[in-house]
Amino acid sequence: NAGVTQTPKFQVLKTGQSMTLQCAQDMNHNSMYWYRQDPGMGLRLIYYSASEGTTDKGEVPNGYNVSRLNKREFSLRLESAAPSQTSVYFCASSEFRGALNTEAFFGQGTRLTVV
Amino acid sequence: GNSVTQMEGPVTLSEEAFLTINCTYTATGYPSLFWYVQYPGEGLQLLLKATKADDKGSNKGFEATYRKETTSFHLEKGSVQVSDSAVYFCALSGTGGGNKLTFGTGTQLKVEL
Repeated sequence: NAGVTQTPKFQVLKTGQSMTLQCAQDMNHNSMYWYRQDPGMGLRLIYYSASEGTTDKGEVPNGYNVSRLNKREFSLRLESAAPSQTSVYFCASSEFRGALNTEAFFGQGTRLTVV
Repeated sequence: GNSVTQMEGPVTLSEEAFLTINCTYTATGYPSLFWYVQYPGEGLQLLLKATKADDKGSNKGFEATYRKETTSFHLEKGSVQVSDSAVYFCALSGTGGGNKLTFGTGTQLKVEL
């Protein structure tokens, strides 16, 4: 009963380093998302994948890339980390059934600090 | 574009007090509306939802009614407990484009004995 699993849970990077955040879901959902959470700003969508093989930019995509590796996995890459990317990152998945918008399931989050 | 506005926190209440957290939205079409809750150190989890006008979502004593005429989805609970202390997010999911959610900024609730 894992749901959405993110790794790592914590990470400290130096400015300019790169890293990949991993996300996997076991609910057979078509859609997956990456959000960042910053104080006073709620959650903002970075990228999403409506279905396997497709990815689209969200509200704040600059400085990030994503890969939808297969239906289960959706990774987020920071190519050259900047202090402004210090945040808590959440992966989520959901099943979109036409006009019926279903709930999203979230991972536990990755707390990233860029120094 | 879509947007969600919710009341700012933090909100501090005594146990058994009545809770209201206001949420209003702007969206095209007929969005679905959600309240998510985030307990300390955890991810978000769905608290309740409503998918059409006049629907009432409810769970764990919390309720919210989808009011299209006032574009609102206010969260209420008649008697809060210390265990309700968390951050509450109002969100909407618009039509098309992969069911992505637009969130409000979150309201921190602290319930004291």
